[in-house]
Amino acid sequence: EAQVTQNPRYLITVTGKKLTVTCSQNMNHEYMSWYRQDPGLGLRQIYYSMNVEVTDKGDVPEGYKVSRKEKRNFPLILESPSPNQTSLYFCASSLGRVWPQHFGDGTRLSIL
Amino acid sequence: GESVGLHLPTLSVQEGDNSIINCAYSNSASDYFIWYKQESGKGPQFIIDIRSNMDKRQGQRVTVLLNKTVKHLSLQIAATQPGDSAVYFCAENPNYGGSQGNLIFGKGTKLSVKP
Repeated sequence: EAQVTQNPRYLITVTGKKLTVTCSQNMNHEYMSWYRQDPGLGLRQIYYSMNVEVTDKGDVPEGYKVSRKEKRNFPLILESPSPNQTSLYFCASSLGRVWPQHFGDGTRLSIL
Repeated sequence: GESVGLHLPTLSVQEGDNSIINCAYSNSASDYFIWYKQESGKGPQFIIDIRSNMDKRQGQRVTVLLNKTVKHLSLQIAATQPGDSAVYFCAENPNYGGSQGNLIFGKGTKLSVKP
């Protein structure tokens, strides 16, 4: 089954404790992206990757890092999480930038 | 800045009726548009897309209309069913003069279907 898998689905942690949210897709997609979804603000792009070893900032990249060492994986790293990063995060992948994106089921992060 | 918006934040329809969800976009150069459905606790699910060289595209029970003159996009759902209850939002590719722009998402319209 074609899918985008995120882990963990839920996480409660404390300020400053580094965390990584993993994302994996099995569709051989070149384009991958991370979004955060906040009430009243909709989906906002954090980072995206056009291909292996090619990443770029989206609209709200501050406080986040990503890497794309393999085509299928695109982890999101919060080196020093802060409460304003409490949000619902989605990973997505697609054939290219201007193609329908397939989304994971989300990771709800709470930073205390 | 560029934005994608929705005319109505909520829409309530009777089961079996047709639903129309609207979206306004601001960038006349946008060349690609997508509609997504998001159910509670799930990620957005692709419904249908349309490129700017078209003004209408049909899928199964859904139709997307694009009016470039007034920069308006709509999603029509025929014979709306309870399973259609969700938040729907549109996205546009702003196509900033060939630079690597990315999809901009609207904030969503919540569709409620009454049995």
